[in-house]
Amino acid sequence: AQSVSQHNHHVILSEAASLELGCNYSYGGTVNLFWYVQYPGQHLQLLLKYFSGDPLVKGIKGFEAEFIKSKFSFNLRKPSVQWSDTAEYFCALDTDKLIFGTGTRLQVFP
Amino acid sequence: DTGVSQNPRHKITKRGQNVTFRCDPISEHNRLYWYRQTLGQGPEFLTYFQNEAQLEKSRLLSDRFSAERPKGSFSTLEIQRTEQGDSAMYLCASSLLRSGRGLNTGELFFGEGSRLTVL
Repeated sequence: AQSVSQHNHHVILSEAASLELGCNYSYGGTVNLFWYVQYPGQHLQLLLKYFSGDPLVKGIKGFEAEFIKSKFSFNLRKPSVQWSDTAEYFCALDTDKLIFGTGTRLQVFP
Repeated sequence: DTGVSQNPRHKITKRGQNVTFRCDPISEHNRLYWYRQTLGQGPEFLTYFQNEAQLEKSRLLSDRFSAERPKGSFSTLEIQRTEQGDSAMYLCASSLLRSGRGLNTGELFFGEGSRLTVL
């Protein structure tokens, strides 16, 4: 079955803390993966994407993600979060349409 | 401004009424997707089109839901005989299907969504 799991439902951090959000997928085909972000009151927008090649992908606003095929994972990281990173983060798997995880709500306090 | 436009932004209706949402994608995009999102959940796939052809409709989707993309440009999503459980944010997204280094969906550009409240 095709699925995406995000185990961290709600993460609370102080500014400057490091962030890692988990994403695991289940899919037997060619793997293309995305992280989307939804800031409060705004539409979903792309953070970064992995299609092939270098498994370490860099995105906007200092975010990066690492594709680990053996672990079926695509975790999102940022070394030092800011208050403006407060948002909901969704991992998505491309199966000719995107299948999204349930999301992780990140709250960053100053 | 992502370029994907959805109307209306908010719709309040009584149970049993029909509602229709419209999505205008980015003009050169050949793929159009409809998703539904409820509070605390990720977007749930409903259906998608490539040009005017509907490629897939979620098996979880009731027959009360229908979508069209008649000329391969804008799309409409109609919900007949609405129920309270239909209350959600309905999201539209578009993309340009790419080929080359493997076929992939490409980046989806989302609209602001249409919020439906069924009383």
